[in-house]
Amino acid sequence: GIQVEQSPPDLILQEGANSTLRCNFSDSVNNLQWFHQNPWGQLINLFYIPSGTKQNGRLSATTVATERYSLLYISSSQTTDSGVYFCAALTGGFKTIFGAGTRLFVKA
Amino acid sequence: DTGVSQNPRHKITKRGQNVTFRCDPISEHNRLYWYRQTLGQGPEFLTYFQNEAQLEKSRLLSDRFSAERPKGSFSTLEIQRTEQGDSAMYLCASGRGLEKLFFGSGTQLSVL
Repeated sequence: GIQVEQSPPDLILQEGANSTLRCNFSDSVNNLQWFHQNPWGQLINLFYIPSGTKQNGRLSATTVATERYSLLYISSSQTTDSGVYFCAALTGGFKTIFGAGTRLFVKA
Repeated sequence: DTGVSQNPRHKITKRGQNVTFRCDPISEHNRLYWYRQTLGQGPEFLTYFQNEAQLEKSRLLSDRFSAERPKGSFSTLEIQRTEQGDSAMYLCASGRGLEKLFFGSGTQLSVL
């Protein structure tokens, strides 16, 4: 089955810094989504982005489907950005497979 | 949208007991997923429904696990003869077509 790999596994930032999170997937996908899991465990959908670039405030995402990767950009990070960021890929079947996540901690 | 609702929020049970969890998806969402998540890991796929049909089930899911989605609305996940290894957060997600998935707050299961 499809493999979804995320990097880096852990990231510590000073408030105000920018960062890039990467998601590689081993096969073609029907869609690619980014989620943020807050410290209370709630998963929030950030982007649905099978290809191209989208922006939402300080966050933006780019998926290059032909090269099988997606990037999540966080600019001017805030302490509330802390948590775990997951990418998830929907394959030709019905499974949406999650990566292991990037654990982000933003220091004040 | 009222969001995806899961009940109960927490469940503590003794080993060997049966437990059942409920998920109420966002209305008109035809896709419904169950995932399991343990500490420090990403959500692990368990099963998928399109309307009332269970179209895929993880090979990791033993015969002790069963899920239903009668009439394509709410879904239940039952675990029979629970084991300590079943302790985890059980997450439900719903979506429409190939659009975004929305997750509930999960049911935290502790098997003593």
